[in-house]
Amino acid sequence: DGGITQSPKYLFRKEGQNVTLSCEQNLNHDAMYWYRQDPGQGLRLIYYSQIVNDFQKGDIAEGYSVSREKKESFPLTVTSAQKNPTAFYLCASSRVGSGANVLTFGAGSRLTVL
Amino acid sequence: AQSVTQPDIHITVSEGASLELRCNYSYGATPYLFWYVQSPGQGLQLLLKYFSGDTLVQGIKGFEAEFKRSQSSFNLRKPSVHWSDAAEYFCAVGRDDKIIFGKGTRLHILP
Repeated sequence: DGGITQSPKYLFRKEGQNVTLSCEQNLNHDAMYWYRQDPGQGLRLIYYSQIVNDFQKGDIAEGYSVSREKKESFPLTVTSAQKNPTAFYLCASSRVGSGANVLTFGAGSRLTVL
Repeated sequence: AQSVTQPDIHITVSEGASLELRCNYSYGATPYLFWYVQSPGQGLQLLLKYFSGDTLVQGIKGFEAEFKRSQSSFNLRKPSVHWSDAAEYFCAVGRDDKIIFGKGTRLHILP
């Protein structure tokens, strides 16, 4: 079945360490997104990409980085510059053009900074 | 500025009772409108969407929503809730490359 796989599901990090969250999709979607979710805050967009080798900052990109070397993959690196990285991270994908904006989500990755 | 407001942070209803979750938005043009549901520790699942046409849209799991342009609202309804409907519900609006999410409404079901 097609879908989005996020890994790891749970991740613990010491302060000052960079960590990378994986997101892989087999839906043949062109667009991919990273959201951060905090309790009572809804979803906030970190980065998005509509085509390979191109991506744009969302509303809260500071302290994060991404790459899009393959259509299927959109990894997110949480750098040591992110002041409050403990959160639930959601990856999503969608088509572009007709039917765009209907997001398919992965199951999420929960990052805890110790 | 574009925004989405879900005025109710928590809602509690009895099993079998009707449900309405509110969503209001501010957007320059007619946006695409969505409702998503999230079970604890999981990703979001699309319940229904409105792009154009009939303003009453049907979704999965017996949910429906009505787009009211004059009120900038897209409220979610269900005639009779089940215990399995307990979850967090997110309204979202947007088009093209950016979707804006509300802060969510957590639904609690009383037996």
